[in-house]
Amino acid sequence: GIQVEQSPPDLILQEGANSTLRCNFSDSVNNLQWFHQNPWGQLINLFYIPSGTKQNGRLSATTVATERYSLLYISSSQTTDSGVYFCAVDQAFGNEKLTFGTGTRLTIIP
Amino acid sequence: EPEVTQTPSHQVTQMGQEVILRCVPISNHLYFYWYRQILGQKVEFLVSFYNNEISEKSEIFDDQFSVERPDGSNFTLKIRSTKLEDSAMYFCASGQSYEQYFGPGTRLTVT
Repeated sequence: GIQVEQSPPDLILQEGANSTLRCNFSDSVNNLQWFHQNPWGQLINLFYIPSGTKQNGRLSATTVATERYSLLYISSSQTTDSGVYFCAVDQAFGNEKLTFGTGTRLTIIP
Repeated sequence: EPEVTQTPSHQVTQMGQEVILRCVPISNHLYFYWYRQILGQKVEFLVSFYNNEISEKSEIFDDQFSVERPDGSNFTLKIRSTKLEDSAMYFCASGQSYEQYFGPGTRLTVT
């Protein structure tokens, strides 16, 4: 099956810093989503981004499907950004299972 | 904004007992999913459900698991005889087209 790898596995930053999280996938995908898992374990949808670039406030994401990677940018980090960030891909043409990456654990220090 | 809900938020059960985890998907969605996450690990797909039947299941989803959509709003996951290794966070998700929306999860602890 498709492999999804995220880097870095861990990231510790001071409040106010910017960060870039990467997601590489081993095969063509039709769908890609980014999630934030908060300290209570909830998965929060950030972006549905099978290709192109999207922005939502301090967060933005870019997927280059032809090169099999996606990037999540977080600017002006806040302590509430702490948690684990997952990307997940759907290899089939929609409505199929999501394969999750290994995650990046982000810790923002005040 | 509509959201997926799950109950209970936390369930503690003894090994060998049956548990039913409940989900209410977003009302106009047609595709339903269960995933699980063992503590400290990544989220894993269990099963997908469409048109009142299972469309795909993983190798984790063995005979002790079953899913049901008993009415027009609920979607349930039953574990017939729980094992210690079933302890995990279970997420329900639903979708109308490609994007999947996740519920807050049920943390299952098997003792």
